[in-house]
Amino acid sequence: DAGVTQSPTHLIKTRGQQVTLRCSPKSGHDTVSWYQQALGQGPQFIFQYYEEEERQRGNFPDRFSGHQFPNYSSELNVNALLLGDSALYLCASSLLGLDFEQFFGPGTRLTVL
Amino acid sequence: AQSVTQLGSHVSVSEGALVLLRCNYSSSVPPYLFWYVQYPNQGLQLLLKYTTGATLVKGINGFEAEFKKSETSFHLTKPSAHMSDAAEYFCAVSDQEDSGGGADGLTFGKGTHLIIQP
Repeated sequence: DAGVTQSPTHLIKTRGQQVTLRCSPKSGHDTVSWYQQALGQGPQFIFQYYEEEERQRGNFPDRFSGHQFPNYSSELNVNALLLGDSALYLCASSLLGLDFEQFFGPGTRLTVL
Repeated sequence: AQSVTQLGSHVSVSEGALVLLRCNYSSSVPPYLFWYVQYPNQGLQLLLKYTTGATLVKGINGFEAEFKKSETSFHLTKPSAHMSDAAEYFCAVSDQEDSGGGADGLTFGKGTHLIIQP
């Protein structure tokens, strides 16, 4: 079992650009959550996808959007990048309602210049 | 809205000494509670969780935590620190209201950096 995988591992963008991050959940999981972790801070919940729909959303602007595919993998898109979007983006997968653990991937380090 | 407070951004203990990392939460309903550990340049790994039942929860690597509803606390302890315990520790809560179990979006504290002195 490969666990949760994320790509790419590192990414450098400039202000105003758009970025797409990818996540493959742990085998058997149907729910994917995304978190933003700024340097020296705890992760902040962005949103969660289940059955290809956004199920929950944290306090993030509409520049942050996502998608879940039929195979449960997910993408996080960020438009009009700001310097403050520089962070580690973590993906976590779980089984909705039947499990109490979210399994985290290693993250994608995004740097906005 | 939920919130999590972790007292002490840095905690330093000697190898073999007791580890105590503090976590207090605020929530409108009894939450699910979690402790995660993060090693440098890695994702988060679950140490332990409280959902229902026994308030003293045992986790991996010798860690345990006790849910105290009256104090809204979920402090993490380990009787004897090991050098390999040096890492960042995060307390997190999940509100039970959304019926997603522990799969609901988590609210994390800011983390406590545990330093182990030889």
